[in-house]
Amino acid sequence: AQSVTQLGSHVSVSEGALVLLRCNYSSSVPPYLFWYVQYPNQGLQLLLKYTSAATLVKGINGFEAEFKKSETSFHLTKPSAHMSDAAEYFCAVSPIGGGGNKLTFGTGTQLKVEL
Amino acid sequence: DTGVSQDPRHKITKRGQNVTFRCDPISEHNRLYWYRQTLGQGPEFLTYFQNEAQLEKSRLLSDRFSAERPKGSFSTLEIQRTEQGDSAMYLCASSLGSGGVGLNEQFFGPGTRLTVL
Repeated sequence: AQSVTQLGSHVSVSEGALVLLRCNYSSSVPPYLFWYVQYPNQGLQLLLKYTSAATLVKGINGFEAEFKKSETSFHLTKPSAHMSDAAEYFCAVSPIGGGGNKLTFGTGTQLKVEL
Repeated sequence: DTGVSQDPRHKITKRGQNVTFRCDPISEHNRLYWYRQTLGQGPEFLTYFQNEAQLEKSRLLSDRFSAERPKGSFSTLEIQRTEQGDSAMYLCASSLGSGGVGLNEQFFGPGTRLTVL
């Protein structure tokens, strides 16, 4: 079974500071990996996805993530936080080639951006 | 294309009542997924459809839950004899599911928040 672990349920950064949200996955083979963002009372929006084409993945709103097989990690970063980045972020994993591509999510990280 | 829509957005019901939620996927998407999200947790997979066929159900989907997608377009999720533990956000997502990496992105609706009193 696949799973993801998000370290830190709450992360607080100052506006303009680096954002680093951690995600580690567990899977017998490298899966597809995703980061989603959820704003209050809204559904999830895809930020970026890893599909084995490139280990450094760039997404929307200036976010990027690097797939590190040796560390089974897929951490999300953004060089400079903006107030509008305050939201909940979910890392998710999906099997390649089977399982209906259903997503298994981590428990989420609430990002707070302070002035 | 207006994205995935869900109705209602909020539902308050009393324990023991039946409730039904509707999801309208993006029109050309043949896969439709239901997830449940409880407070402080990530979404959990419940079930998915390929066209009108329900291909997988999570063990989270007890026999009080039933989902349908009769014409391969919209889907309904019914919960019978609701319990307080059913209180959650129910999310619907759709995707193109014919294979290929680029087709696997799931687009989520805004969710239906259920409160069982």
